[in-house]
Amino acid sequence: KQEVTQIPAALSVPEGENLVLNCSFTDSAIYNLQWFRQDPGKGLTSLLLIQSSQREQTSGRLNASLDKSSGRSTLYIAASQPGDSATYLCAVRLNYGGSQGNLIFGKGTKLSVKP
Amino acid sequence: NAGVTQTPKFQVLKTGQSMTLQCAQDMNHEYMSWYRQDPGMGLRLIHYSVGAGITDQGEVPNGYNVSRSTTEDFPLRLLSAAPSQTSVYFCASRSGYGNQPQHFGDGTRLSIL
Repeated sequence: KQEVTQIPAALSVPEGENLVLNCSFTDSAIYNLQWFRQDPGKGLTSLLLIQSSQREQTSGRLNASLDKSSGRSTLYIAASQPGDSATYLCAVRLNYGGSQGNLIFGKGTKLSVKP
Repeated sequence: NAGVTQTPKFQVLKTGQSMTLQCAQDMNHEYMSWYRQDPGMGLRLIHYSVGAGITDQGEVPNGYNVSRSTTEDFPLRLLSAAPSQTSVYFCASRSGYGNQPQHFGDGTRLSIL
């Protein structure tokens, strides 16, 4: 059974720091991996999607990497800002069986960026 | 663009009552799904659909029913509400083709007393 783990569960950094959020998964047979942002009381916003054949994706100050063989992904946030404060969720899309297309989520990393 | 629209945003029910959570998307997406989000448990899949007329169970389907009569709508029915169903419910949709991101609604916050 695919399991997704995110470490740390919470992270507090001063404004301007570069930071890395980690995501690991137990089964490398994934179709893609998606990073989401969730603000308190809100829904999920898709940040980056990495296909299984890709190594990384970039959007502005965000860079996500994928190492399928080791079951790991990282989300790098450059020059963090207080507006980056949110919970970041990692999800893998299964690549097999009748559940193909479903997302398995980690429990998230709650990020707080202090001014 | 409306994207994925969920109604209501908040609801309080008494144990044993039934209700339907509405979800609609305007992106002509084939794939739709329902998740519940609970503290310490993350998001868990309840039911999903790969197209009109096709539904299947996810990880935590007990106590919920779904149907998909149109591409746009995917309602979630609570048959007899229980306090354990107090949660935040999210509907999501995605194109059925290729590597497309999943889009989420803003959620329905449901309390069962």
